[in-house]
Amino acid sequence: GQQVMQIPQYQHVQEGEDFTTYCNSSTTLSNIQWYKQRPGGHPVFLIQLVKSGEVKKQKRLTFQFGEAKKNSSLHITATQTTDVGTYFCAGPPIYGGSQGNLIFGKGTKLSVKP
Amino acid sequence: DAGITQSPRHKVTETGTPVTLRCHQTENHRYMYWYRQDPGHGLRLIHYSYGVKDTDKGEVSDGYSVSRSKTEDFLLTLESATSSQTSVYFCAISAELYDTQYFGPGTRLTVL
Repeated sequence: GQQVMQIPQYQHVQEGEDFTTYCNSSTTLSNIQWYKQRPGGHPVFLIQLVKSGEVKKQKRLTFQFGEAKKNSSLHITATQTTDVGTYFCAGPPIYGGSQGNLIFGKGTKLSVKP
Repeated sequence: DAGITQSPRHKVTETGTPVTLRCHQTENHRYMYWYRQDPGHGLRLIHYSYGVKDTDKGEVSDGYSVSRSKTEDFLLTLESATSSQTSVYFCAISAELYDTQYFGPGTRLTVL
């Protein structure tokens, strides 16, 4: 079936270090969405990428959508303790797929040591 | 945050008892979803709704039923709760199919 794989599953960094999480889909995605879930909280939408090769920035966060629209990455520059949480990617399949269902990756859990 | 509330926020129940979770939205969004979140499994879709009285199954629908009698309310029912249904349940809404989803605060359910 269709899958969205995220790596790594966990990442521990020292505050100030950079962090990257990768999202790979087994099918082409019409768009990719990124969500952040703080510990004990709920997923919160961060951004959506639609175009092949698109790059968007939000302060220290850089989001990329691959040329083939099957992969994406989120890069955080100089992590801070406020970046702690789990980052999910999600997207609808461009061809077929479960009706009404965004395909969510299992997330990358980021911890930041002060 | 979008206007989504879930009730109750926490519940402890015993195996075999019925449980109903409620999701209420004030955004008038057409689509509503129920997910469960468990360690190692991420977010898994249980059921979703694409309009009043229009619902469909997700990937983990066994043991769950839903109802949507009004645009703003989406109910998730566990007819006979089992320990395997201990989880955190999130409701989400979206304006259009595959659109950005906005999540509620979640309900932590423990089935003893």
